[in-house]
Amino acid sequence: DGGITQSPKYLFRKEGQNVTLSCEQNLNHDAMYWYRQDPGQGLRLIYYSQIVNDFQKGDIAEGYSVSREKKESFPLTVTSAQKNPTAFYLCASSIRAGRYEQYFGPGTRLTVT
Amino acid sequence: QQQVKQSPQSLIVQKGGIPIINCAYENTAFDYFPWYQQFPGKGPALLIAIRPDVSEKKEGRFTISFNKSAKQFSLHIMDSQPGDSATYFCAASRDYKLSFGAGTTVTVRA
Repeated sequence: DGGITQSPKYLFRKEGQNVTLSCEQNLNHDAMYWYRQDPGQGLRLIYYSQIVNDFQKGDIAEGYSVSREKKESFPLTVTSAQKNPTAFYLCASSIRAGRYEQYFGPGTRLTVT
Repeated sequence: QQQVKQSPQSLIVQKGGIPIINCAYENTAFDYFPWYQQFPGKGPALLIAIRPDVSEKKEGRFTISFNKSAKQFSLHIMDSQPGDSATYFCAASRDYKLSFGAGTTVTVRA
């Protein structure tokens, strides 16, 4: 099955700890994205990558970091600097950057207490 | 600051009714306007999309109406079914990014 895998589905962390969310795709897509979803606010772009070894900040990048060492993988680290990390995180990909058709993973719900 | 404003936040219709979701934007540089559908606990999935030089597009029971001069577009779900109950997001595409509306939760009662 082709698609995007995010793991784990639920993640719990203590305040002050960094945590890394996994995102893998086997669609052979060049572009990958990370979004944060909060109730009543839609999806907000955290980071995106147009190609391997390249990534750009989105609208709410503060407190987050990413890497893109392989085409199929785009992990997101939520650092202790992120003031409100509890949210639903969605990873997506598209054939190439600039395409409106993005394929989303099932998401990871992160709870920080 | 949200670049795409979406309303209403939620709506409830009876089976067979026509829920209508409205979106508005300011930036005329947007080049595509997609709609995404999201079921609880899942990621969104592309439903239908329209270019700004087209006034209407239909795919099955889903129709987008686009008013370029008013900078508004809307989604109509014809003959809605309980299986259409989901959250719908409008979006606008520009410069490798999508800007999403806040979402509308649609409930279709049997």
